[in-house]
Amino acid sequence: EVQLVESGGGLVKPGGSLRLSCVASGLTFSNMWMGWVRQAPGKGLEWVGRIKRKADGGTTDYGAPVKGRFTILRDDSKNTVYLQMNSLNTEDTAKYYCGSGWGTFDYWGQGTLVTVSS
Amino acid sequence: EIVLTQSPDTLSLSPGEGASLSCRASQNVDSRNLAWFQQRAGQTPRILMYGTSRRISGIPDRFSGSGSGTDFTLTISTLEPEDFAVYYCHYYGGSSWTFGQGTKVEIK
Repeated sequence: EVQLVESGGGLVKPGGSLRLSCVASGLTFSNMWMGWVRQAPGKGLEWVGRIKRKADGGTTDYGAPVKGRFTILRDDSKNTVYLQMNSLNTEDTAKYYCGSGWGTFDYWGQGTLVTVSS
Repeated sequence: EIVLTQSPDTLSLSPGEGASLSCRASQNVDSRNLAWFQQRAGQTPRILMYGTSRRISGIPDRFSGSGSGTDFTLTISTLEPEDFAVYYCHYYGGSSWTFGQGTKVEIK
């Protein structure tokens, strides 16, 4: 059974930083693209970004609202993907989901809540 | 950047009725990279369809997808109680993925 478990969410002040982690099990992590999707309270899904598997170049792409502030990294030896979030603002308040797949988000974690507030 | 616009925002139907959900792209997209997700209240999203019309294993055949170019449709032939949820279309091609704003299918 595939499991994705996110951690690292919490309360952070505007301008602050936070790093989310997502540990995967039940799949061959190095073969998978990994990504992040967020959902603000009562709102729809918003694509944050994704990182390709190393065999496809390991490159990253990001949604416009987070480009230049967020960075996705992967450690295949730990089956873990990270989301480094800098210069956070109140509009980044959301539940952040980790996802993985061969094409898109075939598998999802339960999400971790990030609240940006003073 | 591709924008996906779903319609309607809300669909009020009764169990047993059929549903047709629309997703329109701001420009032509590759139909191989169009997916649909379902999110039930309080739950994590789950993928239903990929490549426009390919059902994920375990998804009932009352769900079907169609479309090409800029217009895509998710059809639910006969609504079951567990189908009342929010549905999102999703484009995952190139370097800029995106989701539609969602269509809520609610019980009338």
